[in-house]
Amino acid sequence: EAGVAQSPRYKIIEKRQSVAFWCNPISGHATLYWYQQILGQGPKLLIQFQNNGVVDDSQLPKDRFSAERLKGVDSTLKIQPAKLEDSAVYLCASSPGAEPGREQYFGPGTRLTVT
Amino acid sequence: GNSVTQMEGPVTLSEEAFLTINCTYTATGYPSLFWYVQYPGEGLQLLLKATKADDKGSNKGFEATYRKETTSFHLEKGSVQVSDSAVYFCALRIIQGAQKLVFGQGTRLTINP
Repeated sequence: EAGVAQSPRYKIIEKRQSVAFWCNPISGHATLYWYQQILGQGPKLLIQFQNNGVVDDSQLPKDRFSAERLKGVDSTLKIQPAKLEDSAVYLCASSPGAEPGREQYFGPGTRLTVT
Repeated sequence: GNSVTQMEGPVTLSEEAFLTINCTYTATGYPSLFWYVQYPGEGLQLLLKATKADDKGSNKGFEATYRKETTSFHLEKGSVQVSDSAVYFCALRIIQGAQKLVFGQGTRLTINP
């Protein structure tokens, strides 16, 4: 079974530029998550989708971050404009459903450096 | 609010040593508890979990017991190997609401041969 795919793996941009990350979850997984992991910290949930609907985006900085999952499969996370403090690893995860006992499967992440 | 606190790292041990990584939590509901591991260059992987008080999760020689009275979920292994070198994250998930995972800050473990 293929795992969660993310691209690109690395990205370097200047502040005020825009960037987009892509995630392809495990086939059949209804729930998709985007996390931000700043160096030395644990991952923090940015947004959770159930199929193509948003379940939780309470920690997403909506003035600069946006995410979509139009067909309930792939997802993109965009930052516009980027700030220095956005430098982090962006992790995508998926699970078959949102029940508490369901395991979340994580992709390898995209490491973003904002200069 | 909901939060997880892990012991400060990095932790460096010799092969075959006993490992304990402390984890305590604060939760408004009844959480499920997890340990995730991140090997160098790889994504997070679930190591073990426990969904109710006094449950013991175990995998790959690692164990952790859900202690409600001390709000703890300490990770232990009796004899570590060089291949256990990784970053370990404790996390909780509340049953109510959006059920998101809340992670601790991670503990980097290095095992020397």
